[in-house]
Amino acid sequence: GENVEQHPSTLSVQEGDSAVIKCTYSDSASNYFPWYKQELGKGPQLIIDIRSNVGEKKDQRIAVTLNKTAKHFSLHITETQPEDSAVYFCAASNTGANNLFFGTGTRLTVIP
Amino acid sequence: NAGVTQTPKFQVLKTGQSMTLQCAQDMNHEYMSWYRQDPGMGLRLIHYSVGAGITDQGEVPNGYNVSRSTTEDFPLRLLSAAPSQTSVYFCASMWGRGNTEAFFGQGTRLTVV
Repeated sequence: GENVEQHPSTLSVQEGDSAVIKCTYSDSASNYFPWYKQELGKGPQLIIDIRSNVGEKKDQRIAVTLNKTAKHFSLHITETQPEDSAVYFCAASNTGANNLFFGTGTRLTVIP
Repeated sequence: NAGVTQTPKFQVLKTGQSMTLQCAQDMNHEYMSWYRQDPGMGLRLIHYSVGAGITDQGEVPNGYNVSRSTTEDFPLRLLSAAPSQTSVYFCASMWGRGNTEAFFGQGTRLTVV
């Protein structure tokens, strides 16, 4: 099955700085890579996703990059704000399957 | 639309007791799943369903049963609770298979003593 590794497990940044979270995957058949944000006491919520036919995708302060050859993808958050503080999960799946495989999560703290 | 609704939000069980975690969605999604979230281990898939009457096992199915009699509901049953099942449980639904957004419920925090 798919194995998704995520680093770092915790990350603290000053408000206004950038944050980068990295993930690797093992199954070359994976072709869909979403990122979820989980706020305290809530369920995860999709913030951005990327498919294997695209190398980079951006949505305002959030961007995701994908390197299929190296089997890794990253989340970039620029101009961080206190409300970005949360746990972030990467995940991988493929079109023919039903299941998302999640990384172990990164707790991001933005220090005002 | 309420989205995905889970009940209860909190539950304490004694070892050996049984219970059912409820999950309902009102988005007419085909695909529903149950995950457990443990510290340092992310979200792990327990069971999933691709439609009414169809269920299958995920990564960590032991100790759990599911059924899918309607499109809307996907309950998770613990037949004989064990302390190792202490966790936060999330139900999720998707429109279809593969690369579509998963919508999660608010979670059920279960403690087995």
